[in-house]
Amino acid sequence: GAVVSQHPSRVICKSGTSVKIECRSLDFQATTMFWYRQFPKKSLMLMATSNEGSKATYEQGVEKDKFLINHASLTLSTLTVTSAHPEDSSFYICSARDGNTGELFFGEGSRLTVL
Amino acid sequence: DAKTTQPNSMESNEEEPVHLPCNHSTISGTDYIHWYRQLPSQGPEYVIHGLTSNVNNRMASLAIAEDRKSSTLILHRATLRDAAVYYCILSGGNQFYFGTGTSLTVIP
Repeated sequence: GAVVSQHPSRVICKSGTSVKIECRSLDFQATTMFWYRQFPKKSLMLMATSNEGSKATYEQGVEKDKFLINHASLTLSTLTVTSAHPEDSSFYICSARDGNTGELFFGEGSRLTVL
Repeated sequence: DAKTTQPNSMESNEEEPVHLPCNHSTISGTDYIHWYRQLPSQGPEYVIHGLTSNVNNRMASLAIAEDRKSSTLILHRATLRDAAVYYCILSGGNQFYFGTGTSLTVIP
């Protein structure tokens, strides 16, 4: 089946630094990718929707200057958490929609810990 | 904008069928009903989806009410590996919004 890969799976950083998380669709072209954040024992919260070659659409309450999203190609989207603080520690999950079938596939998630 | 309501938790005995309900009374005519499940510290895994007719695949069956305001995910024989949080999601527009999901416990 289709695979969406996230990297890194775990990252620990110091407060004030920036962290980039990559999301790749390995065997299909993803016209749309989504970024979610999940806190412990909570559901996934949609942060933003990114379409290849255009600016991301952010959900209400999500700071676009803090969570930079780039979707430069049909197989890669990146989420950069800028000037990370401990409250940004979370499980970040991306998903990608197959442009041909419309199916949605999720990555394995990236756990960010900000010290 | 989750638009779906599910029980917070359910229990099932191993090798027995499980019926996981989902209410989506505000569903629109173009909304598909999707089910995903998530194990701890993993991304969600696709289970099944449908529009109007009942659907079957190797993992589960999806029973959709005639008025489409509710649906039920059916696991025919629960195994310990089916213990997960199950999410029922509507998609008509571009976004997938997750509700709270149902945490399924399978008892050996």
